[in-house]
Amino acid sequence: GEDVEQSLFLSVREGDSSVINCTYTDSSSTYLYWYKQEPGAGLQLLTYIFSNMDMKQDQRLTVLLNKKDKHLSLRIADTQTGDSAIYFCAETFSGGYNKLIFGAGTRLAVHP
Amino acid sequence: DVKVTQSSRYLVKRTGEKVFLECVQDMDHENMFWYRQDPGLGLRLIYFSYDVKMKEKGDIPEGYSVSREKKERFSLILESASTNQTSMYLCASSSGGAYNEQFFGPGTRLTVL
Repeated sequence: GEDVEQSLFLSVREGDSSVINCTYTDSSSTYLYWYKQEPGAGLQLLTYIFSNMDMKQDQRLTVLLNKKDKHLSLRIADTQTGDSAIYFCAETFSGGYNKLIFGAGTRLAVHP
Repeated sequence: DVKVTQSSRYLVKRTGEKVFLECVQDMDHENMFWYRQDPGLGLRLIYFSYDVKMKEKGDIPEGYSVSREKKERFSLILESASTNQTSMYLCASSSGGAYNEQFFGPGTRLTVL
């Protein structure tokens, strides 16, 4: 079945770039998503990429998609303390119903 | 501003109690979802609904049931709460279609003693 895998922790220095990686299994996913969860809050969509794209850039965020390897990454440039959060990768469930399959989430810690 | 609200942010219940978690969305979305979130396990889908009175089991439905009598409201019911149901519960909704952004509520942290 579908599975989405991420590493659980990432620690970076303020001002550096952060790269969060994700692997997924369903090659038919139309969209792939990155959600952000700040402490004590629900998830919020950060960005997404359509499956026929290789890259998407949105201000400090760059999403790279390698369909051959089923690998998705999120790069945050000039990481700030406000970027400290849990980041979830998600793919669309191929069986319909608009379900999403989420990874376990990567906790990003930004230190001075 | 789109909104998904959940009835409680924090809830403490005793083992064996019947627990109701309420979720309301104001976006006229067809689809609604209940997840539980546990450290290291991410979000696991409990139940979802794609229309009023329609429901489907997710990945971990055991010990839970749901109700959707109105389009905007989706309730999660713990028939007899147990300590292993202590968790963060998140509700989400989406409009459907190929682009499937889910909008999340703030979550309910449930503790079962």
